[in-house]
Order: sequence, then C-alpha cells, then structure tokens
Amino acid sequence: NAGVTQTPKFQVLKTGQSMTLQCAQDMNHNSMYWYRQDPGMGLRLIYYSASEGTTDKGEVPNGYNVSRLNKREFSLRLESAAPSQTSVYFCASRTWGTGYSYGYTFGSGTRLTVV
Amino acid sequence: ELKVEQNPLFLSMQEGKNYTIYCNYSTTSDRLYWYRQDPGKSLESLFVLLSNGAVKQEGRLMASLDTKARLSTLHITAAVHDLSATYFCAVKYNDMRFGAGTRLTVKP
Repeated sequence: NAGVTQTPKFQVLKTGQSMTLQCAQDMNHNSMYWYRQDPGMGLRLIYYSASEGTTDKGEVPNGYNVSRLNKREFSLRLESAAPSQTSVYFCASRTWGTGYSYGYTFGSGTRLTVV
Repeated sequence: ELKVEQNPLFLSMQEGKNYTIYCNYSTTSDRLYWYRQDPGKSLESLFVLLSNGAVKQEGRLMASLDTKARLSTLHITAAVHDLSATYFCAVKYNDMRFGAGTRLTVKP
C-alpha cells in the first residue's frame, strides 16, 4: 500500500527551466493538494483539486500550474523556475464523506533547488 | 483570512520535563489537526480534534481543543529524546492552513 507517491525526490533546476512534479495516490481519495514548505513558514497551499476535473488556487499559486490527470494523479508544473521557488514540495490527498475527520495523507516530498 | 499561530517556534527541553505547545487561530473552525515531522521526512498525522472540548492522548502527547478560545494545546509529559521533531498544528478552513511549526529538541 504505497499511499501518496511523489517523484522526483530531489531536483536542481537552473533559473528559467521548466519541470513537472508528479504525484499519485492509490487510496481512491477524491481531493489532492500541493503545498510548499519553507523554513519558519509552515506549509502553504499552492493549488488543490477537490475532485477529478477541478482545480483551484491556494495561498501561493503564482508561478505554478497544475493538472488533475485522473483521480489518482495530480501534477504541479513550474513553467519558468525562479530561485524563490526553491522549497520542499509536498503532495497530499484526502477522501470525502468524513467531514475532514482523518486529515490528509502526505507524500514524502520533493526537494527543489533553483540556481 | 485565517491565521494560525504556534508558539513557541523553538523549544529545547530536558528529558523528563513537561511542556505545552500552543496553537491559536483567528477564524471559527471546528477541526484541528496535529502533525509530526522528523527532519527530512514527510508529515505524520498525530491527532484530529473534531469538536469543542475534544481531548486526545497518545503516549506522552495529549492534545486538546477549545473552539471558543480558538486555541489548541499539545502537552508533552515526561519528554524523551524520541519526541524530538517539528510539530505542526493545522486548522480546517476552505482547505487546511498550517502553523509555522514548533521545533522540539529533547536533551538528555
């Protein structure tokens, strides 16, 4: 039972390069989320997908795009990476019907450095 | 706009001592979560508090929620080194908003 799987685990980009972070969950969860974690700032929501076919902006969406490819997969794309996007990125998912009773399940994270 | 504030942000404790981490939030919510994160690792769910007055305990950790005061506490009893980690509270909003985290170090 893999839970939430993120790839890659580490990535170094040059300023201006693009890349896509992949996330897949095998728990049949409806909602998926992308967070970034920066020192001293907790986790901040970038984008989320409440259900297959929908996506919405979170607190810090600028410079990112997302795709909910199917129920299992939710990708995050950086079109033109900037040093300010150096961070650790976490994907998370949750199911419906529980009133948020179980919180989120998180992936292991992607550590991205933009030079 | 919901704000979630944790304090302290850094906490160094001696083994065997007790301490409390506080989580204040600015907008009404009836769902509060505590997570643990070890260095370089992902977040692990510790507690889910679903109503006013909720109290949950697991080992040396006890979490409580006062929705009227918009306050949750995470109490550590007789700390041990294995509890060293960063602890986050998170509040259900439209989604989930996290505090900045409390980095706990337990020293022998």
